[in-house]
Amino acid sequence: GAVVSQHPSWVICKSGTSVKIECRSLDFQATTMFWYRQFPKQSLMLMATSNEGSKATYEQGVEKDKFLINHASLTLSTLTVTSAHPEDSSFYICSASALSMSSYEQYFGPGTRLTVT
Amino acid sequence: SQQGEEDPQALSIQEGENATMNCSYKTSINNLQWYRQNSGRGLVHLILIRSNEREKHSGRLRVTLDTSKKSSSLLITASRAADTASYFCATASGSRLTFGEGTQLTVNP
Repeated sequence: GAVVSQHPSWVICKSGTSVKIECRSLDFQATTMFWYRQFPKQSLMLMATSNEGSKATYEQGVEKDKFLINHASLTLSTLTVTSAHPEDSSFYICSASALSMSSYEQYFGPGTRLTVT
Repeated sequence: SQQGEEDPQALSIQEGENATMNCSYKTSINNLQWYRQNSGRGLVHLILIRSNEREKHSGRLRVTLDTSKKSSSLLITASRAADTASYFCATASGSRLTFGEGTQLTVNP
């Protein structure tokens, strides 16, 4: 099956610093990648959708200058949390889909737990 | 905004019993999907039911969809302790998924 990886699996950073999270499709070319955020005991909230080679589309209420998304290749998307604050501490999950698959299928990465101190 | 609402929020049962979780949504959909998430882990896709389907089976899972009531149910039969997890429904409109609030299922050995 289609495999999506994320790196790192967890990260602790100090307030004010930036953190980059990578999302990779390992065995398929992901034309679209999605980034979600999940707070403890809550559901997943879509943050943004990125298509390879174009700018990401952010959901309402998500600051695009704070959460920088780059989808420069068909196998890699990155999410950079800039000037992180403790309230950004969360579980960040990416998913990927491809034109070669059913448009309904998304494959999820294992998530990255970010803790901002 | 989240459109999926699930009930119950939490469900605790004994091993061997069946577990039923419900999901309601508000807008039209292409399909509805169910996912499982173990604590602190990523999502595992369980089953997808298209808007023109009413029922679907996969192993011990049975999913129903009632588009007139905008609701779906997930039934896990003969539950096992390893089924303990959070279960989310997600409605698909195009390629965009909107997740429900989830049901925390605990199966006691």
